[in-house]
Amino acid sequence: EPEVTQTPSHQVTQMGQEVILRCVPISNHLYFYWYRQILGQKVEFLVSFYNNEISEKSEIFDDQFSVERPDGSNFTLKIRSTKLEDSAMYFCASREGGTQYFGPGTRLTVL
Amino acid sequence: GIQVEQSPPDLILQEGANSTLRCNFSDSVNNLQWFHQNPWGQLINLFYIPSGTKQNGRLSATTVATERYSLLYISSSQTTDSGVYFCAANAYSGAGSYQLTFGKGTKLSVIP
Repeated sequence: EPEVTQTPSHQVTQMGQEVILRCVPISNHLYFYWYRQILGQKVEFLVSFYNNEISEKSEIFDDQFSVERPDGSNFTLKIRSTKLEDSAMYFCASREGGTQYFGPGTRLTVL
Repeated sequence: GIQVEQSPPDLILQEGANSTLRCNFSDSVNNLQWFHQNPWGQLINLFYIPSGTKQNGRLSATTVATERYSLLYISSSQTTDSGVYFCAANAYSGAGSYQLTFGKGTKLSVIP
Protein backbone atom coordinates (compact mmCIF):
# COMPACT_ATOMS: atom_id res chain seq x y z
CA GLU A 1 0.00 0.00 0.00
CA PRO A 2 1.41 3.42 -0.90
CA GLU A 3 2.42 5.59 2.03
CA VAL A 4 3.73 9.03 2.88
CA THR A 5 7.39 9.04 3.86
CA GLN A 6 9.33 11.65 5.80
CA THR A 7 13.01 12.29 6.41
CA PRO A 8 14.77 12.59 8.72
CA SER A 9 12.95 10.80 11.52
CA HIS A 10 14.82 12.90 14.09
CA GLN A 11 16.56 16.25 13.69
CA VAL A 12 18.49 18.08 16.37
CA THR A 13 19.53 21.64 15.65
CA GLN A 14 20.83 24.73 17.39
CA MET A 15 18.58 27.74 17.89
CA GLY A 16 18.88 30.13 14.94
CA GLN A 17 19.79 27.43 12.44
CA GLU A 18 17.78 26.64 9.32
CA VAL A 19 16.19 23.22 8.96
CA ILE A 20 14.51 21.53 6.02
CA LEU A 21 12.09 18.71 6.65
CA ARG A 22 11.36 16.47 3.71
CA CYS A 23 8.28 14.52 2.69
CA VAL A 24 7.38 12.31 -0.22
CA PRO A 25 3.57 12.31 -0.56
CA ILE A 26 1.63 9.47 -2.14
CA SER A 27 2.30 9.73 -5.87
CA ASN A 28 -1.16 10.43 -7.29
CA HIS A 29 -2.23 12.81 -4.53
CA LEU A 30 -2.69 16.49 -5.29
CA TYR A 31 -3.16 18.10 -1.86
CA PHE A 32 -0.33 18.28 0.65
CA TYR A 33 -0.23 19.43 4.24
CA TRP A 34 2.10 20.08 7.13
CA TYR A 35 0.98 19.73 10.73
CA ARG A 36 2.89 19.92 13.97
CA GLN A 37 2.45 18.46 17.42
CA ILE A 38 4.21 19.93 20.42
CA LEU A 39 4.95 17.21 22.97
CA GLY A 40 1.83 16.24 24.90
CA GLN A 41 -0.46 18.50 22.91
CA LYS A 42 -2.84 18.10 20.01
CA VAL A 43 -1.92 18.11 16.35
CA GLU A 44 -2.14 21.56 14.74
CA PHE A 45 -2.48 22.54 11.08
CA LEU A 46 0.32 24.60 9.59
CA VAL A 47 -0.18 24.87 5.84
CA SER A 48 -1.85 23.28 2.84
CA PHE A 49 -0.44 23.19 -0.68
CA TYR A 50 -2.12 22.57 -4.01
CA ASN A 51 -1.13 23.19 -7.62
CA ASN A 52 2.30 24.45 -6.57
CA GLU A 53 1.06 27.11 -4.23
CA ILE A 54 -0.10 27.57 -0.66
CA SER A 55 -3.89 27.26 -0.45
CA GLU A 56 -4.28 27.96 3.27
CA LYS A 57 -2.04 28.61 6.25
CA SER A 58 -2.55 28.96 9.96
CA GLU A 59 -1.36 31.81 12.16
CA ILE A 60 1.47 29.55 13.29
CA PHE A 61 2.88 29.56 9.75
CA ASP A 62 4.70 32.90 9.92
CA ASP A 63 7.52 34.31 7.80
CA GLN A 64 10.00 31.87 9.34
CA PHE A 65 8.26 29.00 7.56
CA SER A 66 8.15 28.18 3.88
CA VAL A 67 7.10 25.21 1.78
CA GLU A 68 8.22 24.02 -1.58
CA ARG A 69 7.68 21.23 -4.05
CA PRO A 70 11.09 21.29 -5.70
CA ASP A 71 10.41 18.35 -8.01
CA GLY A 72 7.63 15.92 -8.84
CA SER A 73 7.95 13.90 -5.68
CA ASN A 74 9.31 15.88 -2.73
CA PHE A 75 7.46 18.37 -0.54
CA THR A 76 9.56 20.32 1.94
CA LEU A 77 9.03 22.49 5.00
CA LYS A 78 11.78 24.99 5.76
CA ILE A 79 12.17 26.79 9.06
CA ARG A 80 14.52 29.71 8.45
CA SER A 81 15.78 30.48 11.95
CA THR A 82 14.65 27.92 14.48
CA LYS A 83 13.44 28.86 17.97
CA LEU A 84 13.20 26.71 21.05
CA GLU A 85 9.42 26.67 20.69
CA ASP A 86 9.71 25.07 17.24
CA SER A 87 10.61 21.80 18.96
CA ALA A 88 7.80 19.46 17.97
CA MET A 89 6.83 16.49 15.84
CA TYR A 90 6.15 17.63 12.27
CA PHE A 91 3.78 15.56 10.17
CA CYS A 92 3.32 15.68 6.43
CA ALA A 93 0.05 14.49 4.93
CA SER A 94 -1.39 14.07 1.47
CA ARG A 95 -4.93 13.72 0.28
CA GLU A 96 -6.83 12.29 -2.61
CA GLY A 97 -10.57 12.23 -2.15
CA GLY A 98 -11.63 12.56 1.47
CA THR A 99 -8.94 10.80 3.48
CA GLN A 100 -5.71 12.42 4.57
CA TYR A 101 -2.77 10.06 4.93
CA PHE A 102 -0.08 11.01 7.39
CA GLY A 103 3.62 10.30 7.31
CA PRO A 104 5.49 8.93 10.32
CA GLY A 105 6.68 12.40 11.36
CA THR A 106 9.98 14.17 11.96
CA ARG A 107 10.83 14.90 15.58
CA LEU A 108 12.59 18.27 15.64
CA THR A 109 14.54 19.27 18.74
CA VAL A 110 15.90 22.80 18.96
CA LEU A 111 18.63 23.33 21.56
CA GLY B 1 -13.30 27.50 12.71
CA ILE B 2 -14.65 24.14 13.69
CA GLN B 3 -14.22 22.99 17.31
CA VAL B 4 -13.51 19.33 18.09
CA GLU B 5 -13.88 17.97 21.60
CA GLN B 6 -13.06 14.45 22.74
CA SER B 7 -14.02 12.53 25.82
CA PRO B 8 -12.88 11.07 28.08
CA PRO B 9 -9.38 12.57 28.17
CA ASP B 10 -7.97 9.46 29.85
CA LEU B 11 -9.18 5.88 30.00
CA ILE B 12 -7.72 2.85 31.72
CA LEU B 13 -9.03 -0.57 30.73
CA GLN B 14 -8.40 -4.12 31.73
CA GLU B 15 -7.37 -6.27 28.80
CA GLY B 16 -10.45 -7.78 27.18
CA ALA B 17 -12.78 -4.92 28.13
CA ASN B 18 -14.77 -2.83 25.66
CA SER B 19 -14.73 0.95 25.41
CA THR B 20 -16.39 3.86 23.64
CA LEU B 21 -14.60 7.09 22.79
CA ARG B 22 -16.59 10.16 21.85
CA CYS B 23 -15.90 13.08 19.54
CA ASN B 24 -18.17 16.14 19.35
CA PHE B 25 -17.78 18.73 16.62
CA SER B 26 -19.27 22.18 16.29
CA ASP B 27 -20.12 22.38 12.60
CA SER B 28 -21.18 20.28 9.65
CA VAL B 29 -18.22 18.25 8.44
CA ASN B 30 -16.92 17.17 5.08
CA ASN B 31 -14.38 14.89 6.62
CA LEU B 32 -13.99 13.12 9.93
CA GLN B 33 -11.12 10.79 10.67
CA TRP B 34 -10.06 8.74 13.68
CA PHE B 35 -6.36 8.17 14.31
CA HIS B 36 -4.35 6.09 16.74
CA GLN B 37 -1.05 7.59 17.82
CA ASN B 38 1.26 4.79 18.83
CA PRO B 39 4.06 5.05 21.41
CA TRP B 40 6.51 6.01 18.64
CA GLY B 41 4.38 9.03 17.76
CA GLN B 42 3.07 7.75 14.45
CA LEU B 43 -0.49 8.67 13.47
CA ILE B 44 -2.24 5.58 12.19
CA ASN B 45 -5.37 6.25 10.18
CA LEU B 46 -8.24 4.16 11.58
CA PHE B 47 -11.36 5.45 9.84
CA TYR B 48 -12.52 8.05 7.39
CA ILE B 49 -16.10 8.44 8.51
CA PRO B 50 -17.97 11.72 7.86
CA SER B 51 -21.22 9.80 8.33
CA GLY B 52 -22.51 6.29 8.91
CA THR B 53 -20.87 3.26 10.47
CA LYS B 54 -17.73 1.33 9.59
CA GLN B 55 -16.05 -1.67 11.11
CA ASN B 56 -12.51 -2.95 10.94
CA GLY B 57 -11.82 -5.98 13.07
CA ARG B 58 -12.28 -5.12 16.74
CA LEU B 59 -12.74 -1.45 15.96
CA SER B 60 -15.83 0.25 14.68
CA ALA B 61 -16.92 3.86 14.33
CA THR B 62 -20.20 5.66 13.94
CA THR B 63 -20.73 9.27 12.97
CA VAL B 64 -24.13 10.92 13.39
CA ALA B 65 -23.53 14.01 11.29
CA THR B 66 -26.91 15.62 12.06
CA GLU B 67 -26.15 15.49 15.79
CA ARG B 68 -22.46 16.38 15.34
CA TYR B 69 -20.78 13.51 17.09
CA SER B 70 -18.76 10.42 16.31
CA LEU B 71 -18.05 7.36 18.42
CA LEU B 72 -15.14 4.95 18.26
CA TYR B 73 -15.76 1.49 19.72
CA ILE B 74 -12.94 -0.78 20.77
CA SER B 75 -13.96 -4.32 21.66
CA SER B 76 -11.91 -6.96 23.47
CA SER B 77 -9.12 -4.46 24.07
CA GLN B 78 -5.49 -5.56 23.91
CA THR B 79 -2.37 -3.97 25.35
CA THR B 80 -1.34 -2.98 21.82
CA ASP B 81 -4.43 -0.74 21.67
CA SER B 82 -2.77 1.59 24.17
CA GLY B 83 -1.91 5.07 22.94
CA VAL B 84 -3.72 8.26 22.14
CA TYR B 85 -6.81 8.28 19.93
CA PHE B 86 -7.47 11.45 17.99
CA CYS B 87 -10.56 12.57 16.20
CA ALA B 88 -10.04 15.17 13.46
CA ALA B 89 -12.60 16.98 11.37
CA ASN B 90 -12.86 19.42 8.55
CA ALA B 91 -15.64 21.84 7.71
CA TYR B 92 -15.53 23.18 4.21
CA SER B 93 -13.77 26.54 4.42
CA GLY B 94 -14.34 27.77 0.89
CA ALA B 95 -10.69 27.58 -0.01
CA GLY B 96 -10.94 23.88 -0.67
CA SER B 97 -7.90 22.82 1.30
CA TYR B 98 -9.82 20.58 3.77
CA GLN B 99 -7.31 20.91 6.55
CA LEU B 100 -8.10 18.86 9.64
CA THR B 101 -8.80 20.25 13.09
CA PHE B 102 -7.80 17.77 15.77
CA GLY B 103 -9.27 17.16 19.17
CA LYS B 104 -7.04 16.87 22.23
CA GLY B 105 -7.24 13.11 22.16
CA THR B 106 -8.17 10.28 24.49
CA LYS B 107 -5.22 8.57 26.13
CA LEU B 108 -6.02 4.87 26.43
CA SER B 109 -4.05 2.55 28.66
CA VAL B 110 -4.87 -1.17 28.47
CA ILE B 111 -3.42 -3.14 31.35
CA PRO B 112 -2.90 -6.91 31.34
